Amino acid sequence: RKEVEQDPGPFNVPEGATVAFNCTYSNSASQSFFWYRQDCRKEPKLLMSVYSSGNEDGRFTAQLNRASQYISLLIRDSKLSDSATYLCVVNTGGGNKLTFGTGTQLKVEL
Amino acid sequence: EADIYQTPRYLVIGTGKKITLECSQTMGHDKMYWYQQDPGMELHLIHYSYGVNSTEKGDLSSESTVSRIRTEHFPLTLESARPSHTSQYLCASSEYIQGAKNIQYFGAGTRLSVL
Repeated sequence: RKEVEQDPGPFNVPEGATVAFNCTYSNSASQSFFWYRQDCRKEPKLLMSVYSSGNEDGRFTAQLNRASQYISLLIRDSKLSDSATYLCVVNTGGGNKLTFGTGTQLKVEL
Repeated sequence: EADIYQTPRYLVIGTGKKITLECSQTMGHDKMYWYQQDPGMELHLIHYSYGVNSTEKGDLSSESTVSRIRTEHFPLTLESARPSHTSQYLCASSEYIQGAKNIQYFGAGTRLSVL
């Protein structure tokens, strides 16, 4: 079983739709959680950290469920520019290594 | 924007050549990382460093080697390139802050093709 699992998609949604991605992690000792965004043939860039109480940044909302070991990302009013691959990232243990999921591909269409 | 730079961006080279992929950051970050990513696949950590003269192998076995003689510089070397080394190589760095999250900043990557 992979340490971080995501549905690879693609999710094809119309502009303005709300879309949600889930991610599960296997190590209950995981301490930090992030969503990164990666555009085609580009480097990953931090989208947002995920806090235990949940957090929101504009149209993006991240949630953490430690009991069930999953993280979610909700995108409201999706834009064409949101088309990208969204990577679920987990920091396990006391070190500084991150484990990346394979990513979920989002395509926002007119 | 992160100040982390990788050169070259693209490299096409023949089998058996020695290559060095450069990575430099101007943020004074202690920690640096090399990842390998094939198209449509996840990133795999191949090397990391927690500071000068510190290097460790990552989760994915790699025939490459790294060095960390200066804080800002973390080059990756392949002594004899093979077609199986064809991939994208991403360098990242992060700052250690007690109790804080480890946010990594990535360079633009080097896309390597070995013929």
